[in-house]
Amino acid sequence: DTEVTQTPKHLVMGMTNKKSLKCEQHMGHRAMYWYKQKAKKPPELMFVYSYEKLSINESVPSRFSPECPNSSLLNLHLHALQPEDSALYLCASSQESRGFVSNEKLFFGSGTQLSVL
Amino acid sequence: SQQGEEDPQALSIQEGENATMNCSYKTSINNLQWYRQNSGRGLVHLILIRSNEREKHSGRLRVTLDTSKKSSSLLITASRAADTASYFCATPNAGNMLTFGGGTRLMVKP
Repeated sequence: DTEVTQTPKHLVMGMTNKKSLKCEQHMGHRAMYWYKQKAKKPPELMFVYSYEKLSINESVPSRFSPECPNSSLLNLHLHALQPEDSALYLCASSQESRGFVSNEKLFFGSGTQLSVL
Repeated sequence: SQQGEEDPQALSIQEGENATMNCSYKTSINNLQWYRQNSGRGLVHLILIRSNEREKHSGRLRVTLDTSKKSSSLLITASRAADTASYFCATPNAGNMLTFGGGTRLMVKP
C-alpha cells in the first residue's frame, strides 16, 4: 500500500466552526507533513512530525493545531479560521530513515480543499 | 521560504513535442527533486537527482543538474495530453526540509 489517504476531500466551514482534517498512511513512514497550497502557488510547509513528535512548525497561527496520535495517523484541527485560510491542504509522508528527510521522496495525499466562509 | 524558481511559469505545446522546464535555486544542495501535480490533486514524485549526478533518466523524463549554475532542467519527450499538469522542482532549505519552486504549468494539446 503506497497511498496516503486524506479525508474529507472537500470541506466548507464558517469562521466559528471547529473541524479536523485527517491523514493516514500504512507504509511504515515515520515522517509526516502538512502543506498548505493556494491556487497557482507551490505547496508551503506548515508542520513536520518525526517519530510522532512535532519537529517543525513553520510559524503557523495557533488556529491550526496538528496532532499525531500514532505513526500512521496525522490530524490537523481547525478553529476560528479566516477566509484567507481557504486553500488545498496536503498531507505527505516519507520514510525518515536517516534523519535527512530532504533526501527522501515524499508521498502525497490528494488533499482537502478547504473553503472558509 | 522559496528556494527554487521555475521557468517558464506556463508552457503550451502540441502532443508529440518535447517540453523543457528549468529550475534555478539559490544555495548549495545535496539533491533536487521533481514532482508533478494534476489539477487540484496531490503531488507525485517523478525523479530525484543527487548533487554528484549530472543527468538522470526515467522513461520519457530526462533531468539534468548543473551545480555550478545552480540550475536543473526537466525534459519530457514525446509529450502526451496526459502530461498536462504543473511541475515543481524541490530543494532542501536551510532547515533540511524540502521547499518547492513556483512551478511550471504545462498544457499539452491533443
